[in-house]
Amino acid sequence: SYEVTQPLSLSVSPGQTASITCSGDKLGDKYVCWYQQKPGQSPVLVIYQDNKRPSGIPDRFSGSNSGNTATLTISGTQAMDEADYYCQAWDSTTAVFGGGTKLTVL
Amino acid sequence: DVQLVESGGGLVKPGGSLRLSCAASGFTFSSSNMNWVRQAPGKGLEWVSSISSAGGFTYYSDPVKGRFTVSRDNAKNSLYLQMNGVRDEDTATYYCANLFLGGNAFDIWGQGTMVTVSS
Repeated sequence: SYEVTQPLSLSVSPGQTASITCSGDKLGDKYVCWYQQKPGQSPVLVIYQDNKRPSGIPDRFSGSNSGNTATLTISGTQAMDEADYYCQAWDSTTAVFGGGTKLTVL
Repeated sequence: DVQLVESGGGLVKPGGSLRLSCAASGFTFSSSNMNWVRQAPGKGLEWVSSISSAGGFTYYSDPVKGRFTVSRDNAKNSLYLQMNGVRDEDTATYYCANLFLGGNAFDIWGQGTMVTVSS
């Protein structure tokens, strides 16, 4: 079965750029989306179709996908961006989530 | 407001059954591909099942195939997950989620309902 892999954690300072990767075989051939989940809350879609932002998502969130790696980039990271981030792709009719990356802003 | 509200979670013994429900409002439920996604305590997200807008197509993850059944009632704007033969590893918060077909992503999530499998 298809798998995507994320780093367990990432730490950035406020105002810096955070880049969270998601790796999978020929992932660039698939669309990738990203979800943000804060403690005790439901996930929120922040990027879809590799690089599109839903309405209401700040433009400091961006995405890219090529080769075997998709990347979620948060520019000018703020304290409120501290959360778990999950990438997700489709393998035929099955949704596949990465294991999640805990982003710490300190 | 666009909303999904899950219910039906609780404590169930191994081998037992439980039926989860998800009530939708604020969007055209009957046109939506709906999904269940779960999250074990302290763990990541795991897709469980999906059902097409009219209910004619259903899909399941390997861990639940043959034990869980997804269904919907478009007249009641409701999604269901019948869980039979539950196992310890089914302990999780279960979310219903709408699939935004234009983006192939889950754009609306419920608040989740907790299922605990324990003797």
